[in-house]
Order: sequence, then C-alpha cells, then structure tokens
Amino acid sequence: ELKVEQNPLFLSMQEGKNYTIYCNYSTTSDRLYWYRQDPGKRLESLFVLLSNGAVKQEGRLMASLDTKARLSTLHITAAVHDLSATYFCAAAISGSARQLTFGSGTQLTVLP
Amino acid sequence: DTAVSQTPKYLVTQMGNDKSIKCEQNLGHDTMYWYKQDSKKFLKIMFSYNNKELIINETVPNRFSPKSPDKAHLNLHINSLELGDSAVYFCASSQVPHGNTIYFGEGSWLTVV
Repeated sequence: ELKVEQNPLFLSMQEGKNYTIYCNYSTTSDRLYWYRQDPGKRLESLFVLLSNGAVKQEGRLMASLDTKARLSTLHITAAVHDLSATYFCAAAISGSARQLTFGSGTQLTVLP
Repeated sequence: DTAVSQTPKYLVTQMGNDKSIKCEQNLGHDTMYWYKQDSKKFLKIMFSYNNKELIINETVPNRFSPKSPDKAHLNLHINSLELGDSAVYFCASSQVPHGNTIYFGEGSWLTVV
C-alpha cells in the first residue's frame, strides 16, 4: 500500500523568507503531483513530476523529485501573502488505474 | 467556462435521507473520479470511471453508488446518510486514468444533521 507523508503539516512564515515542504512516499511511484487548495476552493494543479531528478518551477515555487529517496520537495522562495494556501502532494503507482494517494496537506500561512 | 462542475455546492440534510451529487466535465476527458475530503482535509479516492467503466472502487460503504451515464458525467448517490458522511466531495477528471493533469471540481459540501 502506498503511503504519502508531508511535513510540516502547518507552516507559518514571514514574507520574503524561504522554506521547503517535504513529501515522502513509501513505495515506488512513477509520478508525483503537487496541488494548491485555497480555503473552500478546488484543488489546482501546480506540478507533475515524472522522472528522477525532475525539477519544475513556476514563479516562487519550485518542485523536485528524487525517486531513489522517494522524496519530493516544494521550495518557496521569498514568500508573499498570496501563497497562503494548503499544499498537497500526491503519488501514483503505475498500473491500470494509477491510484493516486494524497499526503495530509501543508497549511501555509505567509505573514506580512 | 467551468471545466469540472458539480452540483449542489452545499447540501444540508438529515440522517437517513438519500441524496445525489452530480458532476459534469466539458474537457473531453475519458476518466472521472470522486474524492472525499474529511474535516482534517485528508483526501481519499472513492471511485474512478474510465469510459463509463468502473476502474477504482475503494472500500466505501455500499450506501455510496456512482453512476456514469456517459463519459462527461459521473454522479454520486448516497443512501441512508449518516453523520460520518459529512465531508466535502470532489469530482475530478483526467484525459487518461490519473494522467498528467487531474482537474478538480469546486467540491460539494455535505453536512448531515
């Protein structure tokens, strides 16, 4: 059974600071997703990482994947208030249905 | 245009009632899903359909029954609602089963009283 763990679960940071959210998964996965969810809203896709060493960047967010360590990171650079949201990672095992397992989410609050 | 839309957005109902949540996607995707998000924001897949065929059926009570009349629609019917069914139910779709991008609906907030 695939398990996905994120940490931290809660993160409060000052504007302008950098921080990293970690996502560990328990068994071999062939893809890793990062999503953002604003309160009461839908999940919005941020990144899909498909191979070892993959790195993707969008604005102040950068995601990477290390399949050997079964670890993905979401790095936040010079945080701004607009980044406040809950961030989820999810992993999928290849197969006929590629069942997606989500982490518990990291609730990020960026303080002015 | 909303890519994945679900109705109703909010639903308050009494224990024991039967209710349905409807979902439609206009993206031309083959695969649709129902996810449940509990009060701690934990997301878990419930069902997935690919081309109207059930491909994922997680361990959920059989009071929950999905129905896919066509590729663009996936409805969720819940019988004999219980307090523990209170959650946010998200519909989602992707081109292929858990393809590169999965698009989510805005969620249906179900409260059972």
